[in-house]
Amino acid sequence: DAGVTQSPTHLIKTRGQQVTLRCSPISGHKSVSWYQQVLGQGPQFIFQYYEKEERGRGNFPDRFSARQFPNYSSELNVNALLLGDSALYLCASSFSGMGEKLFFGSGTQLSVL
Amino acid sequence: GESVGLHLPTLSVQEGDNSIINCAYSNSASDYFIWYKQESGKGPQFIIDIRSNMDKRQGQRVTVLLNKTVKHLSLQIAATQPGDSAVYFCAENMDNAGNMLTFGGGTRLMVKP
Repeated sequence: DAGVTQSPTHLIKTRGQQVTLRCSPISGHKSVSWYQQVLGQGPQFIFQYYEKEERGRGNFPDRFSARQFPNYSSELNVNALLLGDSALYLCASSFSGMGEKLFFGSGTQLSVL
Repeated sequence: GESVGLHLPTLSVQEGDNSIINCAYSNSASDYFIWYKQESGKGPQFIIDIRSNMDKRQGQRVTVLLNKTVKHLSLQIAATQPGDSAVYFCAENMDNAGNMLTFGGGTRLMVKP
C-alpha cells in the first residue's frame, strides 16, 4: 500500500504569491493533518481535518487555509506568501484522528524568494 | 518540548553501542507520546509510542521510558547501527486534542562506524 503522498515535492514562489499543496492519505485513513517544519526545528501543527470537517487549528494566520475532499485527500493553501513561510510542509494521516500515531509524507519544500 | 532553534543537540555514538536520547515535554496534561525519526529529505517516521498509563514500552531494538513526575521521555536504541543516524523528535498529544502533536526540538544522532 502507498504511504502518504504529497505534491509537489519542491516549489519556489515569490513574496505575495499564493500556493496550493496537495496530500493523499493512506488508504482507509480519514484524518489528515498539516504541519510546518522550519529548518532545524520540529514540525508545528497547522490544521487537522476529519471527515471533511476542521477538527483543529494551530497558531497560524488566516493566510493559511485548508480543506478535505470526499476521498479524504486534502489541500493546504497559503495566500500572500512571506519569506518566513519558507519551510517543509508535511502532511500526516491517521485512521480516526484521535490520539493515535500519525504517518507522515515526505513533505513539500516551499521556498519563498 | 521547546524548540532549540538551528543548533540541534547532537549525540555521537560508536556503532554497536547503546544510545539514549532524552526529551523534556511541556504539558502535564499530555497523555500520549511518540518518538519519530527523520532522515534528511524525508518526513518523520514513526518509531514507538507510549500512553501515560505506562512507564515503559519496548519495541524492536528500541525502548521508550516515561517519567510523568518530571515530564521526561527517553528513547533507548540498542546496538546502534549506521542506519540509525538521523534526527529524532519526541512529540506529545493531549486527550481531546485530536492529532495536534507538539514536537520537541530534536536530537541529531550520529553513528560512527
